[in-house]
Amino acid sequence: AQSVTQPDIHITVSEGASLELRCNYSYGATPYLFWYVQSPGQGLQLLLKYFSGDTLVQGIKGFEAEFKRSQSSFNLRKPSVHWSDAAEYFCAVAEGFSGGYNKLIFGAGTRLAVHP
Amino acid sequence: NAGVTQTPKFQVLKTGQSMTLQCAQDMNHNSMYWYRQDPGMGLRLIYYSASEGTTDKGEVPNGYNVSRLNKREFSLRLESAAPSQTSVYFCAVLVTAREKLFFGSGTQLSVL
Repeated sequence: AQSVTQPDIHITVSEGASLELRCNYSYGATPYLFWYVQSPGQGLQLLLKYFSGDTLVQGIKGFEAEFKRSQSSFNLRKPSVHWSDAAEYFCAVAEGFSGGYNKLIFGAGTRLAVHP
Repeated sequence: NAGVTQTPKFQVLKTGQSMTLQCAQDMNHNSMYWYRQDPGMGLRLIYYSASEGTTDKGEVPNGYNVSRLNKREFSLRLESAAPSQTSVYFCAVLVTAREKLFFGSGTQLSVL
């Protein structure tokens, strides 16, 4: 069964600093990987996804993530954090099959605080 | 949360009581999910249904049952509620063509 580990429960960065959120997954086949963001009182918004191809994927709001199969990782990065990026971030993995994917499993989340 | 209707929004139960959380979608998609969200544990998958008439266990299925009688509706039942089931429950519809997971508004459940 697939699983996701986000080692950092809380991270605090200063506005304008760079950010990296860690994600490690466990899955026997090629994973479908996602990063979602949840702002207080809001639902989840998809930031980016990896299915295949280029291992560096670009997402919305200036985020990017790199898939590293050898490390079973899919870390999220942003070169310069804005105060509005303060939120909870979830990494997720899904089972892929021909034509789609299913069984989306989330990590426990990393709560990001941004200092002015 | 357009397209996914989840009821009730709030519920308080006593230990041992039963209840059913209802979820309905109007997006005509196959994949529906039930998650619970707890502080520090993120979203944990309880059950999912890849299509009408099929259901599969997720990460934390114990103490729950589900029913997918038609394409629109996917219900979650607690037969004998326990305090450990105090949580916020979310129903979701996976629209792979749009690569998006649509969530219901959530049910805040307290088991005393």
